[in-house]
Amino acid sequence: DAKTTQPPSMDCAEGRAANLPCNHSTISGNEYVYWYRQIHSQGPQYIIHGLKNNETNEMASLIITEDRKSSTLILPHATLRDTAVYYCIVRVYGGATNKLIFGTGTLLAVQP
Amino acid sequence: DADVTQTPRNRITKTGKRIMLECSQTKGHDRMYWYRQDPGLGLQLIYYSFDVKDINKGEISDGYSVSRQAQAKFSLSLESAIPNQTALYFCATSGYPPQGGTDTQYFGPGTRLTVL
Repeated sequence: DAKTTQPPSMDCAEGRAANLPCNHSTISGNEYVYWYRQIHSQGPQYIIHGLKNNETNEMASLIITEDRKSSTLILPHATLRDTAVYYCIVRVYGGATNKLIFGTGTLLAVQP
Repeated sequence: DADVTQTPRNRITKTGKRIMLECSQTKGHDRMYWYRQDPGLGLQLIYYSFDVKDINKGEISDGYSVSRQAQAKFSLSLESAIPNQTALYFCATSGYPPQGGTDTQYFGPGTRLTVL
């Protein structure tokens, strides 16, 4: 599975869009980009995933660059409850272990 | 996710004791996983099971064992607990991936285990 690089921390004002970047320059053609978040020692929460097209759901939008070497998770209107560690993960379809490889993620602090 | 439950939520035990952590899910998923998280670090996979008769070791299985009692239940045991097994433990489940796609894992609330 490809490795990802994320900034260790970011701040965002409440009500503004939070844009969380992720680099995955060694991603392969059959690897998906997944985003999870973890709010203070709770179980990780699935947010969104995509292969090459941009994706949107009720929680967030995922923008993947055309070369697929980086992506951005967008929380359109951040609230205090969005303060969490956000993990960007790449996963190959049909991988032998099917495991998620969590790095250290980005701590997003939403400020009032 | 309330569909994945873990018991107990907190446990303090002593070195050498046998401990069992339990996970139940009502999502109807075939695949279940146990992860461990140490403070300030990401999650590491301990064991995973793709169905009741399929058990596989993850990256840090030493000192742990598992039992898949039913499709909905997956237990993790520490046969003789030691202090460096103090950590957060998470159970996760996933369904079979769609054609050409991946499965999405959904996590339980976690068990905080302290070994003295």
